[in-house]
Amino acid sequence: GENVEQHPSTLSVQEGDSAVIKCTYSDSASNYFPWYKQELGKRPQLIIDIRSNVGEKKDQRIAVTLNKTAKHFSLHITETQPEDSAVYFCAATLTGGGNKLTFGTGTQLKVEL
Amino acid sequence: GAVVSQHPSWVICKSGTSVKIECRSLDFQATTMFWYRQFPKQSLMLMATSNEGSKATYEQGVEKDKFLINHASLTLSTLTVTSAHPEDSSFYICRASGGAGNEQFFGPGTRLTVL
Repeated sequence: GENVEQHPSTLSVQEGDSAVIKCTYSDSASNYFPWYKQELGKRPQLIIDIRSNVGEKKDQRIAVTLNKTAKHFSLHITETQPEDSAVYFCAATLTGGGNKLTFGTGTQLKVEL
Repeated sequence: GAVVSQHPSWVICKSGTSVKIECRSLDFQATTMFWYRQFPKQSLMLMATSNEGSKATYEQGVEKDKFLINHASLTLSTLTVTSAHPEDSSFYICRASGGAGNEQFFGPGTRLTVL
């Protein structure tokens, strides 16, 4: 089955700096890679996703890049704000295969004033 | 977007009792329901996948006789933790999949504490 690794486990940045979180996946058949933000005690919220036919996607301050050959994908947050502080999870799945998401281990992002 | 609800949002029970958690998709037909468990400061771990009208498929290491899943309709799936023990204390989250666009939505989660 799929295995997703995520680094770093914790990340502390100053407000206004950029944050980068990296994930690797094992199953070359995976073709959908969402990123979730989870605040304490709440459900994960989809913040951005990318499909395997695209190398990069951007939505305002958030961007995701995908390297299919290396089986890497990364989340980039620019101009970080205190409200970006949360746990971020990457995930991977093969769409049409039941959409069984495999999650990374999570990154605790802290944006300091 | 679609709404997925869970009930209860939190529950405290005594060791040895059973607890039922409901997951409802309010405005789309959830053909597939995924149940996850999340321990503090850990990731979401898939427990089982259920398709409406079929028996659930459990992940390796998850006891199917302890975690009973029912998905009898396109809008409701239930997870029953039988004979709960303190080590079952966790955050349980459902994820509903379905609809015309194969949408995916998480429920808000249920915090289970077993004393």
